[in-house]
Amino acid sequence: AQSVTQPDIHITVSEGASLELRCNYSYGATPYLFWYVQSPGQGLQLLLKYFSGDTLVQGIKGFEAEFKRSQSSFNLRKPSVHWSDAAEYFCAVGAVSNTPLVFGKGTRLSVIA
Amino acid sequence: DADVTQTPRNRITKTGKRIMLECSQTKGHDRMYWYRQDPGLGLRLIYYSFDVKDINKGEISDGYSVSRQAQAKFSLSLESAIPNQTALYFCATSDTPSGALGNQPQHFGDGTRLSIL
Repeated sequence: AQSVTQPDIHITVSEGASLELRCNYSYGATPYLFWYVQSPGQGLQLLLKYFSGDTLVQGIKGFEAEFKRSQSSFNLRKPSVHWSDAAEYFCAVGAVSNTPLVFGKGTRLSVIA
Repeated sequence: DADVTQTPRNRITKTGKRIMLECSQTKGHDRMYWYRQDPGLGLRLIYYSFDVKDINKGEISDGYSVSRQAQAKFSLSLESAIPNQTALYFCATSDTPSGALGNQPQHFGDGTRLSIL
């Protein structure tokens, strides 16, 4: 079965600084990978997804993620963080179509002035 | 996501009460899911349904039951609520993969905050 690990529980960055959130997965074949963001009081919103093809995927709100098979990673990046990016971020991995996605425990992002 | 509506948004109730959380969707998706979210534990899958006649247990189904009344409706029940079921509950939907595609993205409601005293 697939699994996903987000090693960082909480990250604090300064506004305008770059951001990288880590995600490592475990799955024997090519996974389907997703990043979601949860703002306070809201549900999860899809930021981006990787199914196949180009390993660098662009998402909404200026985010991108890179799939690295050799490292079993799918890290989320943003070149310049805005205060409104403060939220919780979840990585998820999918495998065969008859099983639900598996979510990581999340990384909480705080943005300071 | 307004396409996935959860009711109620907030509920406070007492131990031993029967609670029903409802989810309806207008996305036309066959697949629906119920999760609970607790601080530090992320999202944990309670039940899921891949079509109207299909119900599957997730990671933490004990103490919960579900009903898939129609393609668009998926309800979660707590038969006899207990305080450790206090959590944020999310409903989600996803499309059925076609061809060789695997999992499709899930679309989430805004959650129900449930407190059991």
